[in-house]
Amino acid sequence: GDSVTQMEGPVTLSEEAFLTINCTYTATGYPSLFWYVQYPGEGLQLLLKATKADDKGSNKGFEATYRKETTSFHLEKGSVQVSDSAVYFCALSDPAKNAGNMLTFGGGTRLMVKP
Amino acid sequence: KAGVTQTPRYLIKTRGQQVTLSCSPISGHRSVSWYQQTPGQGLQFLFEYFSETQRNKGNFPGRFSGRQFSNSRSEMNVSTLELGDSALYLCASSLISGMLEETQYFGPGTRLLVL
Repeated sequence: GDSVTQMEGPVTLSEEAFLTINCTYTATGYPSLFWYVQYPGEGLQLLLKATKADDKGSNKGFEATYRKETTSFHLEKGSVQVSDSAVYFCALSDPAKNAGNMLTFGGGTRLMVKP
Repeated sequence: KAGVTQTPRYLIKTRGQQVTLSCSPISGHRSVSWYQQTPGQGLQFLFEYFSETQRNKGNFPGRFSGRQFSNSRSEMNVSTLELGDSALYLCASSLISGMLEETQYFGPGTRLLVL
């Protein structure tokens, strides 16, 4: 079945450092890819998405490019802030497999940004 | 536009009891999905409802069930609670089901503790 693998955390960075969180996926079809963020005590918020190869999703300074050749969707940000501290989830959905809106999630990566 | 709302936010039950959780989707959204989040298993898909019909179901025992009403509000029920059912239960809504561009929006979750 489909699966998502992301780097284990926690990732600890100083403010204004460059961020990369790796995400790779396994899917037989052509899935849509998502990054969600979860702040302490809250639900998931959509950060960005991409629906086809070479698409770049971006939001709030975060970017990720759908790389079909490497089955990857790595999250990057040029300069992190303390307020970016949260858990980040990579996910995919593959509606072509008649799976509706079912999301398959990676294990999550906790990011801690120090002042 | 109001977001996805879930009630109650916190719940404490004892083993063997049953529990019902409620989710109100964003106005106009017809698809509601449920996920279970635990430290050990991460985020796992429970089921999705679209236009009052179960669209898809994850790999959970029959003790977990759900339904959707004509106004798209959804409930999930867990019978004969076990300690391992302690988790954050997240609800997500989207306009429709099964389209590549579709995005799911999550509620804040219901945190269930089984003693």
